[in-house]
Amino acid sequence: QVQLQESGPGLVKPSQTLSLTCTVSGGSISSGSYFWSWIRQPAGKGLEWIGRIGRIYPTGSTYYNPSLKSRVTISVDTSKNQFSLRLSSVTAADTAVYYCARDDYGSTNTFDFWGQGTLVTVSS
Amino acid sequence: SSELTQDPAVSVALGQTVRITCQGDSLRSYYTSWYQQKPGQAPVLVIYGKNNRPSGIPDRFSGSGSGNTGSLTITGAQAEDEAVYHCSSRDSSANNPGVLFGGGTKLTVL
Repeated sequence: QVQLQESGPGLVKPSQTLSLTCTVSGGSISSGSYFWSWIRQPAGKGLEWIGRIGRIYPTGSTYYNPSLKSRVTISVDTSKNQFSLRLSSVTAADTAVYYCARDDYGSTNTFDFWGQGTLVTVSS
Repeated sequence: SSELTQDPAVSVALGQTVRITCQGDSLRSYYTSWYQQKPGQAPVLVIYGKNNRPSGIPDRFSGSGSGNTGSLTITGAQAEDEAVYHCSSRDSSANNPGVLFGGGTKLTVL
C-alpha cells in the first residue's frame, strides 16, 4: 500500500517561498508509469491542482497549472523517495491545506493515494 | 471554458437515492472522477472511468456521464456517506495536460 506524507513549515511570510516535501513509502517514486502531484485546498473551498512530476528517467517531466506556473517548481529526490514543491512570492491567497498525491496521469487520470495534508498559512 | 460546476449542497433521506452532478466542457472528452472528503480528512477516490470503483468502495456508489455532464449516484444513502463530493477531469483545453476540479457538493443525509 502506497503512503504519502507531507512535511514543511506551517507558516510562511508574504513574498517568501513556500517549500514542502512529500515522502512516499510502499513503492518507488521512480518506477512504474505514475506521476506525483501537489493539490491544495483553501479553507472551506474546493481543490486546486498545482502541478505534477513524473517519468523520472531519464529527465523527468513536469506540468503545472497555468495560473501558478510562473511561481511553481516541483522536483524529485529519488534517493529519498521524495518529491517537493516550491511556490514563490506567496500571498495570503496561498494559505491552504496542501496535499501530495499519486497521479495516474494518462491512464485513469485519477489521484488514487493522498497524503493527509498539511496546513500552510501565509502571514507576517 | 476550463471549469467544472457542481451544486454547492444536496440532501437525501437515509436509505434513499441521490444523484450529484458535475458540468463542464472537458467532460465531453474525458471521464469524470469523484472524490469523497469528510471533515479534516484527505479526499478519497470513489468513482473513476466509465463506472469503476476502487477496492473497498461500496457498490452503492456508481458513476455515469452524458455530454458535458458527469453524475455520481448513491443508491441507498447511508449516514456515513455524508461528506463533500468533488468531481474532477483532465482539462481539455489546448496544450494543457492539467486537472480540473469542481467546487464540491456537500451531501447531507437526513
